[in-house]
Amino acid sequence: NAGVMQNPRHLVRRRGQEARLRCSPMKGHSHVYWYRQLPEEGLKFMVYLQKENIIDESGMPKERFSAEFPKEGPSILRIQQVVRGDSAAYFCASSPQGALDEQYFGPGTRLTVT
Amino acid sequence: DQQVKQNSPSLSVQEGRISILNCDYTNSMFDYFLWYKKYPAEGPTFLISISSIKDKNEDGRFTVFLNKSAKHLSLHIVPSQPGDSAVYFCAASGTGSARQLTFGSGTQLTVLP
Repeated sequence: NAGVMQNPRHLVRRRGQEARLRCSPMKGHSHVYWYRQLPEEGLKFMVYLQKENIIDESGMPKERFSAEFPKEGPSILRIQQVVRGDSAAYFCASSPQGALDEQYFGPGTRLTVT
Repeated sequence: DQQVKQNSPSLSVQEGRISILNCDYTNSMFDYFLWYKKYPAEGPTFLISISSIKDKNEDGRFTVFLNKSAKHLSLHIVPSQPGDSAVYFCAASGTGSARQLTFGSGTQLTVLP
């Protein structure tokens, strides 16, 4: 049973470009969470999605960031017009039902904005 | 405003001894607490959790203690092993923020052989 998959593992973008981060949850999991980790800090919650629904996006910046989890395919975190401050590690987690202690994390995508 | 704080960025312990990692929180609405372990270039791995209705939860070498009045929890690892060397994150969730985890900044544990 494959774990949570994230790709790419590393992504370099110039300021103003778009970044697309993908997350494939574990088989049978219908709940996806995105977290961001800035250097020397803990993970910060961004958004919680179920298939085709955003359940909680209270941690998402109001502009330039969006997330989706379509009926088919991976969850996508999209960052438009990236700035240097977006450089961070972005982690995706999935769970079968939304139980807290069943959040399984992927290896993360490290975004570097030059 | 950091709602979950891990004030020790690093901790070194001899193999076989006890490791104690501490975590403080400020939000009285938190009622569920978790510890995660993270190796470099990997995502966090769930270790152990505790609900606010308990003051202790044990799983093998790992025990979490919760002191609600002090808003403090700790993770005890005994005996510590070199493979335990990793960054440990404390996380919390509560009423009104269900399923949204608030993480501390982590403690790097090094277990010396």
